[in-house]
Amino acid sequence: KNQVEQSPQSLIILEGKNCTLQCNYTVSPFSNLRWYKQDTGRGPVSLTIMTFSENTKSNGRYTATLDADTKQSSLHITASQLSDSASYICVVNRHAGNMLTFGGGTRLMVKP
Amino acid sequence: ETGVTQTPRHLVMGMTNKKSLKCEQHLGHNAMYWYKQSAKKPLELMFVYNFKEQTENNSVPSRFSPECPNSSHLFLHLHTLQPEDSALYLCASSQAEGQGANEQYFGPGTRLTVT
Repeated sequence: KNQVEQSPQSLIILEGKNCTLQCNYTVSPFSNLRWYKQDTGRGPVSLTIMTFSENTKSNGRYTATLDADTKQSSLHITASQLSDSASYICVVNRHAGNMLTFGGGTRLMVKP
Repeated sequence: ETGVTQTPRHLVMGMTNKKSLKCEQHLGHNAMYWYKQSAKKPLELMFVYNFKEQTENNSVPSRFSPECPNSSHLFLHLHTLQPEDSALYLCASSQAEGQGANEQYFGPGTRLTVT
């Protein structure tokens, strides 16, 4: 069964601290993996997209990693800010089309 | 702003009402999508349109009826909904399906409450 599992479900950290969110998937065949940020009451916004051959990709303070062998990805947030409070969703594309499988998301709260 | 707009942003309707959700994209894309996001559940794909043709209906009940008059507009017509249909309905667009790792751009969503 094609699935995307994320952990933790929720996370609270203090402003300025780093954190890492995890994503494990069983989706096959694999085309690419995306991380989205979704603010409350808003639609998801893409942070990174990685194909099979890419191991890491950065977007400002966000760094995503991908291990296609173990089917694991992580999203590392450096020097967190209050505006990082949101849900972070891992999404795997099964093939070259646009059939996406979504994880349940990690709800991050950054406190001052 | 992502270039994808949705109206209304909030909607409360009774189970016997008929309403429509509207989505418009200003990105020149040819594929559009409807998703349902329920509390504490992953996004669920409902419908996909590629060049105005429906290419995916993910076992959605017939009380949800999509319409895509052109590549820029997508509607979701609602009738005789159930309380469990209350959710955030998200529209997205991308370049045509099947053309590589096309990123999907999401609208802000319509928060639907069925009473």
